Amino acid sequence: SQQGEEDPQALSIQEGENATMNCSYKTSINNLQWYRQNSGRGLVHLILIRSNEREKHSGRLRVTLDTSKKSSSLLITASRAADTASYFCATDAIMNRDDKIIFGKGTRLHILP
Amino acid sequence: DAGVTQSPTHLIKTRGQQVTLRCSPKSGHDTVSWYQQALGQGPQFIFQYYEEEERQRGNFPDRFSGHQFPNYSSELNVNALLLGDSALYLCATGLAGGRVEQFFGPGTRLTVL
Repeated sequence: SQQGEEDPQALSIQEGENATMNCSYKTSINNLQWYRQNSGRGLVHLILIRSNEREKHSGRLRVTLDTSKKSSSLLITASRAADTASYFCATDAIMNRDDKIIFGKGTRLHILP
Repeated sequence: DAGVTQSPTHLIKTRGQQVTLRCSPKSGHDTVSWYQQALGQGPQFIFQYYEEEERQRGNFPDRFSGHQFPNYSSELNVNALLLGDSALYLCATGLAGGRVEQFFGPGTRLTVL
């Protein structure tokens, strides 16, 4: 079953605008990660935020985490055509030292020229 | 330093056949996880191998089995293929006991006819 659910399912914005994607999850986590996937290829790790962190930045990416609401957001500023991809949030389900990662269904982002 | 590699890139099989997919981890990594990603969905965790043993497993039938070799590379075997097994199969490697971040290979696209 899916742990995380991204919202919206699809998003189209003009190049240069900011893109915001949200992720909600069901159970308590230790970490939440965001990945990017281009055209059904392998996933690229973008950023990891731990449960005791509220915000994290990496270049044009900003991730927030609200553990009380069990939600996270990914903001991509000044979007570029190369940002067109699917974005997934992934949460860990750490029990008994297992580090299984559970993915949501993803947000398909399309940057319009 | 080579990243995670997978072979073959594409594969076409017919129902009832058996298939073996291969994964070589990123240098220094010792865990290998396998994921199935159906079209338009997020990756679904199949199982993880560490020290040549299956350490944890997702909700997949016994038709899905695997193996890890002493050099940490891994194979995913699927028996009695069904049409529904058509998907992108992703391999992800990491460090046991390390951060949860995993590095993904480009995937193997399996089509079952």
